[in-house]
Order: sequence, then structure tokens, then C-alpha cells
Amino acid sequence: DGGITQSPKYLFRKEGQNVTLSCEQNLNHDAMYWYRQDPGQGLRLIYYSQIVNDFQKGDIAEGYSVSREKKESFPLTVTSAQKNPTAFYLCASSRGARVPLHFGNGTRLTVT
Amino acid sequence: AQRVTQPEKLLSVFKGAPVELKCNYSYSGSPELFWYVQYSRQRLQLLLRHISRESIKGFTADLNKGETSFHLKKPFAQEEDSAMYYCAHQETSGSRLTFGEGTQLTVNP
Repeated sequence: DGGITQSPKYLFRKEGQNVTLSCEQNLNHDAMYWYRQDPGQGLRLIYYSQIVNDFQKGDIAEGYSVSREKKESFPLTVTSAQKNPTAFYLCASSRGARVPLHFGNGTRLTVT
Repeated sequence: AQRVTQPEKLLSVFKGAPVELKCNYSYSGSPELFWYVQYSRQRLQLLLRHISRESIKGFTADLNKGETSFHLKKPFAQEEDSAMYYCAHQETSGSRLTFGEGTQLTVNP
């Protein structure tokens, strides 16, 4: 099953710890995205990257960080500064602007 | 800032009945609009986009610039249509996609 792979599927962490979510794609897409999905709030954009070594903040970037050192990888770090980190995180990629996004299966992060 | 609104969080219809999922957007430029669907235990996927003007799985969506709406319609709902539906808007200048809150559609037998 090619496309976008997010790992792990479930992740548990203690409060105060940073945690990194993995996202890899083999679609040769230039753009990659991280969304957070919460019930009743839809998908909210955390960070996105339109090209390697460049990324922009989305609507809820506080408490998160990303890197884009390779075209196929866009890891998301949830830092201890994120006040409400427990959520379902979705990674996506696209060929560029004004084209559909391809989504991964998501990672459910639980922080206690 | 661009905004996408889906006023109904939950929508329940009977099999064979028409269904309409509402979507309104706020954007002054030329919109690029999509509907995405998430079936149970499957990844979020594209259902259709307004520029294609096509029907997917019996669903259609017409862009109404006067009402700034992009409602999703199907004349005869099927049980397999039960899913979460998201309306999304992509800005003209870039790749950033903004989603609505989503509508959970349940089609009852």
C-alpha cells in the first residue's frame, strides 16, 4: 500500500514529554501537511510545507514543531508546551497548489 | 481569513431518501472547493472537487458564488454512504487547505 505512512498508529506519552510523530510519503509530492482532528472541530492545520527545507505555520502551530529535511518525510514534534495534545493527527501530501490532498491513516496520541 | 462552515454536525436519513450536506465558505477570490469523505476505519479521501463538475458515487456539488455555498447532494442515499463528510477550501495562491467542521451522515435501512 503505497502513499503516505504514519507511525505509530497509537502513541502514549506522559505529560511534560516531547513526542515525535512520523510521516513518510513515496508519492514524490512536494507539499506536505499536518492536521489535527478533534470531534466537532473538523481538521485544523498545524503546519505545512510546500517544498523541502521550508515550512509555514498553520492555524494552531503553538506547541508544535516540524522539519522538512527530505522530500519524503515531514515529522511533527508535539512539545510539552502544547496545552491539549491528546488528539488524532493526520498527515497529508499533494503535488502542489490547488490539487487534492492524499492522507495517511493517522496517529492517535494520548497524553496523560 | 478564509472560513468553511458546515452547519450540521449530524445528519440522519433513510435509505432511498435525498440527502444534502451543506457547506458555506467565506473567500473573496476564486474558490477551489472540495468534498472529502472518511468512511469507518478508512483514511480521509477525496470525494469530488468543484472544478471537475463530475458525479462520484451518485454525489454532486454545485458551486453557488452568489450564496457562497458548495452543498453536496445525492438523490437517493444508500447505507454505504454513511460516513463523515468534510467540505474544504483551498486558497488561490498556495496549497493550504481549510476544512469545515464535518458532517456525520447516517443512512438508516
